[in-house]
Amino acid sequence: DIQMTQSPSSLSASVGGRVTITCQASQSISDSLNWYQQKPGKAPKLLICAASSLESGVPSRFSGSGSGTDFTLTINSLQPEDFATYFCQQSYSTPRTFGQGTKVEIQ
Amino acid sequence: EVQVVESGGGLVQPGGSLRLSCVASGFTFSNYWMNWVRQVPGKGPEWVGNIKPDGSEKYYVDSVRGRFTISRDNARNSLYLQMDSLRVEDTAMYYCARDRGARTADCWGQGTLVTVSS
Repeated sequence: DIQMTQSPSSLSASVGGRVTITCQASQSISDSLNWYQQKPGKAPKLLICAASSLESGVPSRFSGSGSGTDFTLTINSLQPEDFATYFCQQSYSTPRTFGQGTKVEIQ
Repeated sequence: EVQVVESGGGLVQPGGSLRLSCVASGFTFSNYWMNWVRQVPGKGPEWVGNIKPDGSEKYYVDSVRGRFTISRDNARNSLYLQMDSLRVEDTAMYYCARDRGARTADCWGQGTLVTVSS
């Protein structure tokens, strides 16, 4: 199985700030990488698929990049509603696997 | 509105069984692969398995293969997860999720909690 490693596991940031979360795959997965946002008590919400393709309705302050084994989720101009936990997930092979999550907290 | 709603979770003893259900609405259920995904609080999600639109193919993660069975009833827009020989480590929130293709789940339910404990 492909292992997905996220860093950091948590971070603090201010409203209006910029956040960068990284995700590393244990083997090359091309651009087969999704990002999800999860708020407490809620289901994960798909933000970005294929490493950089923003889902419909997701604000443009979210962006994704990377290919191969190293990927990045960037949130510019952080808004109060962005404080949540973010997960990466490889869609390259079965079983699909997720990272352990990055919790973004208010500074 | 595209929606899936899970039910059937609860407390069960190790070695016991439980059947989860998921009812879909707002989309043509019979056209989509459907998944079960579980998550222990504070951890990343774990994909449990999925089923082809016509039910003819099913795939499972190694840790549940032989103990869990996924099925569906397209006439009832429903997905099921039969869980047998439950273990303490199966304790988690279980989510039903629609697949849009390319191993990408684009619609998740709110989850149903399964607790395996004596």
